[in-house]
Amino acid sequence: DTGVSQDPRHKITKRGQNVTFRCDPISEHNRLYWYRQTLGQGPEFLTYFQNEAQLEKSRLLSDRFSAERPKGSFSTLEIQRTEQGDSAMYLCASSPAGPSGYTFGSGTRLTVV
Amino acid sequence: AQSVTQPDIHITVSEGASLELRCNYSYGATPYLFWYVQSPGQGLQLLLKYFSGDTLVQGIKGFEAEFKRSQSSFNLRKPSVHWSDAAEYFCAVGGNNQGGKLIFGQGTELSVKP
Repeated sequence: DTGVSQDPRHKITKRGQNVTFRCDPISEHNRLYWYRQTLGQGPEFLTYFQNEAQLEKSRLLSDRFSAERPKGSFSTLEIQRTEQGDSAMYLCASSPAGPSGYTFGSGTRLTVV
Repeated sequence: AQSVTQPDIHITVSEGASLELRCNYSYGATPYLFWYVQSPGQGLQLLLKYFSGDTLVQGIKGFEAEFKRSQSSFNLRKPSVHWSDAAEYFCAVGGNNQGGKLIFGQGTELSVKP
């Protein structure tokens, strides 16, 4: 068990560019979550998958954001036409089904300049 | 509305002193409650969780938390703080009808004085 991996750790992009982040969950976890965390705040829920199905999306997730989890394994989060307000830490977590705490990855810090 | 309130933005304690971090929640169903710790630039690590049963739960690193339904609270405690405990602490609430989605508080930053 290597934990939850996120790539890249840091991303600096120019406003208007598209970015994509990857998350590799713990292999036996069938739930995968994306959260966003801004400075001085707790994580805010963006979306989650059970296996390959995206079951819920937050209203925070504008149409510029899209997430996929093909084959129920790794997941990608894409942000199109980035804005400065997208600058944040993007956290991925996974868990087994049923009541359980998450295992978080180390996050991807996005800076939009 | 579902929410978590951590009233203390920043707390400073002396090394060896006891610690209590406050957490109050608002949740319409039976809550699942969690405490996470985050070091700078890192992801969150689960300290402990409460689902049901004994209202005093033990976690890692010597932390414990007590669920008080009547007060809608889930305060985190540690009898003797170590310098390595300096970090950001987050309380979170979820439920079985939420698909595992958690609502986090805004966090309490803990500083430890030598």
